[in-house]
Parts: sequence; structure tokens; C-alpha cells
Amino acid sequence: GQQVMQIPQYQHVQEGEDFTTYCNSSTTLSNIQWYKQRPGGHPVFLIQLVKSGEVKKQKRLTFQFGEAKKNSSLHITATQTTDVGTYFCSGGYQKVTFGTGTKLQVIP
Amino acid sequence: GAVVSQHPSRVICKSGTSVKIECRSLDFQATTMFWYRQFPKQSLMLMATSNEGSKATYEQGVEKDKFLINHASLTLSTLTVTSAHPEDSSFYICSAVLAGGTQNTQYFGPGTRLTVL
Repeated sequence: GQQVMQIPQYQHVQEGEDFTTYCNSSTTLSNIQWYKQRPGGHPVFLIQLVKSGEVKKQKRLTFQFGEAKKNSSLHITATQTTDVGTYFCSGGYQKVTFGTGTKLQVIP
Repeated sequence: GAVVSQHPSRVICKSGTSVKIECRSLDFQATTMFWYRQFPKQSLMLMATSNEGSKATYEQGVEKDKFLINHASLTLSTLTVTSAHPEDSSFYICSAVLAGGTQNTQYFGPGTRLTVL
């Protein structure tokens, strides 16, 4: 079946440093979504990417969809303590599969 | 907009009892709702897809007789864990897809923490 892996699994950064998580699918994705889950909370939708090579920005967050539509990345510039949480990508044609997640810890 | 609620948020029950979890879309209609299970420090595992007015579609390995799903209206889906056992203890999260929206954009409920003693 479809597998969606994310790396790294964990990331500790100093506040102000940049952070990137990568999402890789075993199959081509029609589109991809990114979610953020705070500790003890539920996933919150961040963005959806549809087009090959698409790049979208939300303030300090930059999302990219690969040309082959099998991978994606989320980059956070100058992390803040409010960025703490686990970031999940998800995608799939008929059934959505969530990635393994990247847990971000920001050290003040 | 696109708010999803779950009730209860937390439940503790004895082994052998049944527990019902409600998932409601508060300000939109949802033809499709999903039920996930999440173990600590792990990703979301899709259990089943709930479609209004029809039977739920269960993922491989999920017992449909143990996890009963009812999607009676466009704003409500329920998950009943029957004869719960300690291994059923987990965080259960539902999500709803906005009717007419893309299938892939999901709005999640706050989750229900189930503890079976």
C-alpha cells in the first residue's frame, strides 16, 4: 500500500534557527496537505498543494510540492516557540494517508 | 468556519463496556467523515470512512463489528467501541470533509481520549 514517510522524525532547534521537514510518498500524489498538531491537541489544516512544483508561503512557512508529485517540504524561517508541535503531511488519490510526522521542539 | 466537535473529550470505562463517541460538524455539512486512531507519539491511522446515508468503509485490520460507525446526518457521525478492552485505549480523532470541497482537505475534531481499565 501507499506509504508516506517524513524526515526527520524529531528536530530540536534554537529559537531563530530555520527548520525543514521532508515528506516522501511511495506513489504519486494528486495533492498534498500539511497539518500541525500541538502537544495534546488535534491536527490543524495548514495548506494544500496541487500543482507539480508548486510553492506556497504563509508568513514564515514555505511549502513546496515536488515536480514528480511524490515529495513535499515545509520550511520554517526563524522558528519561534509557537512553532512547537508535530507537522504531518498527507496525501493520496482515493484514500488519504498521513505521513509519519516530524516533531519540532524549539529551544528558547 | 469549518469547526468540528467531538464528545466526549475524555472517557474512562471498564473492560467489556461500550463507548459511543460523537463527531459533529458545527457550521457546515459533511458528506464524508473519517475516524482515526492515534497512539502516543505516532501518526494518525485511518480506521474507517463514514459516508452519510451509507455503510462505512473500514480499513484493513479494523473490525467493523467492534468499531460501529453510524453517519445518520450530514452533521453527525458516531463511533461506538463495543466491548472495549485495555488495548482499545487510544486517542480517537474524527475529521470532516466540507460538502462540495476537495476530499483531501479535512477539518479535525479535538479528539477523544479513551482509557479502558
